[in-house]
Amino acid sequence: EDQVTQSPEALRLQEGESSSLNCSYTVSGLRGLFWYRQDPGKGPEFLFTLYSAGEEKEKERLKATLTKKESFLHITAPKPEDSATYLCAVRSRSNTGKLIFGQGTTLQVKP
Amino acid sequence: GAVVSQHPSWVICKSGTSVKIECRSLDFQATTMFWYRQFPKQSLMLMATSNEGSKATYEQGVEKDKFLINHASLTLSTLTVTSAHPEDSSFYICSASVTSGGRGDTQYFGPGTRLTVL
Repeated sequence: EDQVTQSPEALRLQEGESSSLNCSYTVSGLRGLFWYRQDPGKGPEFLFTLYSAGEEKEKERLKATLTKKESFLHITAPKPEDSATYLCAVRSRSNTGKLIFGQGTTLQVKP
Repeated sequence: GAVVSQHPSWVICKSGTSVKIECRSLDFQATTMFWYRQFPKQSLMLMATSNEGSKATYEQGVEKDKFLINHASLTLSTLTVTSAHPEDSSFYICSASVTSGGRGDTQYFGPGTRLTVL
């Protein structure tokens, strides 16, 4: 059964304090790993898609990396506006089209 | 690009009434749309997958007669919650998928609809 686990559940950082969020997955044939950002009361906002181990994507202060078992979302010198819940999701060969979501990591960045 | 809208953004209704939520892809055509439900402090739960011109595929445990889905065109899908009850109160989010250069689809999400049933 496809499974996604995110850690930590919650993370508090001071502005400028870099850190990483983890997404561990078990899937039958990865067809894409997705990172989304969700603000309270809003729909998820697409950030990145990673397809194969070793792939990396960057956007402003965010960098996503992928191995055969997990993905990391690195946040460099975060700002208060980076505060949100970050969701990781996978698509597998056995669940074509569907995304399996992790529980998310809620990030709070204090000024 | 890849903007998805939902209407209404919030709705309050009385128990027993039906509520329709619209999901539109504004700048692209989506062959597949998805409907999710999200409870407070929980992740997204897929309710159904909707393909244009065909019947929706519901996830296990989701009542198809209660949550009616119509995907009338490549840019519009609707979710109707029939005979709503307080336990149906939730945050409903749709997504539309876009093919990404042959490597599979990326889902773009709408802003969500907050349903409160009194």
